[in-house]
Amino acid sequence: DAKTTQPNSMESNEEEPVHLPCNHSTISGTDYIHWYRQLPSQGPEYVIHGLTSNVNNRMASLAIAEDRKSSTLILHRATLRDAAVYYCILRDLDNYGQNFVFGPGTRLSVLP
Amino acid sequence: SAVISQKPSRDICQRGTSLTIQCQVDSQVTMMFWYRQQPGQSLTLIATANQGSEATYESGFVIDKFPISRPNLTFSTLTVSNMSPEDSSIYLCSVPSLAKNIQYFGAGTRLSVL
Repeated sequence: DAKTTQPNSMESNEEEPVHLPCNHSTISGTDYIHWYRQLPSQGPEYVIHGLTSNVNNRMASLAIAEDRKSSTLILHRATLRDAAVYYCILRDLDNYGQNFVFGPGTRLSVLP
Repeated sequence: SAVISQKPSRDICQRGTSLTIQCQVDSQVTMMFWYRQQPGQSLTLIATANQGSEATYESGFVIDKFPISRPNLTFSTLTVSNMSPEDSSIYLCSVPSLAKNIQYFGAGTRLSVL
């Protein structure tokens, strides 16, 4: 699976949108882009994933660049509960069922 | 989604002792993963446990130090043997979803070794 690059940390104000970037310039055509987050004292939880098209769910939106070399996780209205480490992970379609490889992630702080 | 229960949630242990961590899933799963998260670090895979076969260990992790049992499709244990302070970490178990495209994680076991 290809590697991703994320900022070490980001800060946001409560109730404002947050855009978390992820670069993956060596992404292959069959790599899915996954986002997980880890709240304090908890295991990682699934946020969203996509292949080529932008994706929306109740937690967030995923915007994928046309060349797929970068993506952005969008939290539309940050709350204090969204303070967590966010991991952007690529995983090849052929590796479904195998483990995820976690990088350092982005630590998001949400200010009241 | 799968519900994963880990026990204990935390423990403080003495050097040289062993601790067995339990992972219970509310549905049958073929694969279970054990991860370690050292203080301030990201997750690192220790091993993959399939029911009915020996666990597969990642580079840097050995069976004598981290023996794993997988007696059925809903349960697994990870033992941290002959502990030292360097073993102080959070240990997490994880299972893939039915479609195997996402993973579910337990809350982890926070281990401190004195």
